[in-house]
Amino acid sequence: EVQLVESGGGLVQPGGSLRLSCGASGFTFSTYGMSWVRQAPGKGLEWVSSISNSDDSTYYGDSVKGRFTISRDHSKNTLYLQMNSLRAEDTALYYCAMNQWDLLQWGQGTLVTVSS
Amino acid sequence: ETVLTQSPDFQAVTPNEKVTITCRASQSIGTSLHWYQQKRDQSPKLLIKYASQSMSGVPSRFSGSGSGTDFTLTISSLEAEDAAAYYCHQTGSLPYTFGQGTKLEIK
Repeated sequence: EVQLVESGGGLVQPGGSLRLSCGASGFTFSTYGMSWVRQAPGKGLEWVSSISNSDDSTYYGDSVKGRFTISRDHSKNTLYLQMNSLRAEDTALYYCAMNQWDLLQWGQGTLVTVSS
Repeated sequence: ETVLTQSPDFQAVTPNEKVTITCRASQSIGTSLHWYQQKRDQSPKLLIKYASQSMSGVPSRFSGSGSGTDFTLTISSLEAEDAAAYYCHQTGSLPYTFGQGTKLEIK
């Protein structure tokens, strides 16, 4: 059974940093791209970033480009999202998802709150 | 950026009714369009990938169609458990984007 478990969320001040993790199990991690999608409270879904399965190429949404970095550790079956220069508008539930395109499975999410 | 516009934003529907949700892309994306269902307090679930390919385990009442800029998610006979928000998602051009969502409520 595929499992994706996010962690690392919390309360952070504007301008601060946070690193999210997503532990993956139940599938061959290295053969799938991975993605981060976020959802602000009461709002819709927003694609944040993806990383490919082939060469670990990375892709970002315009609102996070230059501030967020996606990466993965194949030896630990873990996906990361390093978030710097956080803003109030980054407050959201952050989901990790399996695959780069059609998002086959999703985790339960980790909540990031940016506030002073 | 490819903007996805869903309609309607909200619909109150009677059980057994047929439901059609449309998703229009601001530029052609081929069939790189996926549909998700998100029930209250749950993570999204992939229903349809690449416009018309149903995911395993998804009830047959859900179907998708379209290509280019116009796409449709159809629920042939609504059941109470289908109350949820539905989102389209394009991966045909970067940055990938989601539609604003369609909330279905059961009358």
